Amino acid sequence: QKEVEQNSGPLSVPEGAIASLNCTYSDRGSQSFFWYRQYSGKSPELIMFIYSNGDKEDGRFTAQLNKASQYVSLLIRDSQPSDSATYLCAVADSWGKLQFGAGTQVVVTP
Amino acid sequence: GAGVSQSPRYKVAKRGQDVALRCDPISGHVSLFWYQQALGQGPEFLTYFQNEAQLDKSGLPSDRFFAERPEGSVSTLKIQRTQQEDSAVYLCASSLATYEQYFGPGTRLTVT
Repeated sequence: QKEVEQNSGPLSVPEGAIASLNCTYSDRGSQSFFWYRQYSGKSPELIMFIYSNGDKEDGRFTAQLNKASQYVSLLIRDSQPSDSATYLCAVADSWGKLQFGAGTQVVVTP
Repeated sequence: GAGVSQSPRYKVAKRGQDVALRCDPISGHVSLFWYQQALGQGPEFLTYFQNEAQLDKSGLPSDRFFAERPEGSVSTLKIQRTQQEDSAVYLCASSLATYEQYFGPGTRLTVT
C-alpha cells in the first residue's frame, strides 16, 4: 500500500471553476505537507506548504490539513488553462525526506 | 537568485557504462536530496545530505548507486554499470532548513 495516495485523474475543470485535489497519507508521524505542480517534461515546483491543522491560503490556492483524518487537500480557485499540470502531494518526515503521491493530472478546459 | 542547477540535462548511456550526475544547490542551502522519478510516477527518495554528511541513503536501489557531497555544496550521484531499469529522471532538491525543498530541472538518463 502506497503511503501517500492521490486520485490519478485526469480531473477536468472548466475555466474559472474551483479544482479540488485530495491526498491521504498513512504515517501519523508526518510533520509537514506540500503541494508541487509539475508541467509535462519539467521538474516539480513548490506551490504550497502547510504544517498545522486548518486552512492556508496563498493567492488562488488554499491548502487544507486534517491530521486526525490524515488528509490534505488543495483548492485552486478561478482555474486557468495555465493551471493544467500534474499536482503532486508530498509528505515529509522529521528529517525532511519527502514521500510523494503519484500525482493528480488537472486539465482546465476553456 | 539562482536556483538549483543540474548537469547534464540529458544523458544517454550504453548498458554497463558508469555515469555521474551533478547537482549545484541554492547557495547556503545545507540540505540536499536526490530523487528518482519514473514516467507517470511521483519522485522517489534516494538519499539525503546535511552539509557534507550523508544522513540517509536508504532509498538507493542498489550498491551500484553512490552519492557524495564532499565540501557540503555540489553533490554528485554516480551510477556504476548502468542497467535499463536505471532509466529515469534524477532530481536534486535543496532546502535551507529541513522542509521546503526546491527542485532542479533534473537529469533525464536513458540507458540503451
